[in-house]
Amino acid sequence: GAGVSQTPSNKVTEKGKYVELRCDPISGHTALYWYRQSLGQGPEFLIYFQGTGAADDSGLPNDRFFAVRPEGSVSTLKIQRTERGDSAVYLCASSRQPNSPLHFGNGTRLTVT
Amino acid sequence: GESVGLHLPTLSVQEGDNSIINCAYSNSASDYFIWYKQESGKGPQFIIDIRSNMDKRQGQRVTVLLNKTVKHLSLQIAATQPGDSAVYFCAENRRSNDYKLSFGAGTTVTVRA
Repeated sequence: GAGVSQTPSNKVTEKGKYVELRCDPISGHTALYWYRQSLGQGPEFLIYFQGTGAADDSGLPNDRFFAVRPEGSVSTLKIQRTERGDSAVYLCASSRQPNSPLHFGNGTRLTVT
Repeated sequence: GESVGLHLPTLSVQEGDNSIINCAYSNSASDYFIWYKQESGKGPQFIIDIRSNMDKRQGQRVTVLLNKTVKHLSLQIAATQPGDSAVYFCAENRRSNDYKLSFGAGTTVTVRA
């Protein structure tokens, strides 16, 4: 498809485990974003990539969270030592350039038990 | 402080009627505004955007109005259809920080048959 693809769609993990969430942006989109959405809330910014580099990671809640985009396309959000409070939907979005509409994937629903 | 919010968390509308969803923002430096629609289990879907140098913008069955004097944004949906049932978010994107979107909590629109 032509949209943003996120895998897995659902992930259940035990407290303390490590997880990786993957995002395939729209081809040709240089800007990539990760957001987190808790139940009943709007998405909250986590990190923004322009190309391969993380231009702004100010939204990452703590150092257990890390994201990479090594080739400027696919991105992986990594969470170490997961906690129950990390349970949320993690959304990835891409845009052709910064300051243009973001196109979101359907998210990964992470549940930490 | 900065905030983007919607006036009402829920809106019930009769099929065929027009819907109006409101949003207030407090940051006078806000330069760009976007409306998103989110259906259950899916990511936010771009509806329409407007920049601060405009007061009104129209799309297919939707109109966004921006009143910078009172820092108010609205989304009008004409002839509301069952498929319009969803959560609607307004989001703000500042000129000086124009890759981050700040979302409100959303308005849940339910279309009655």
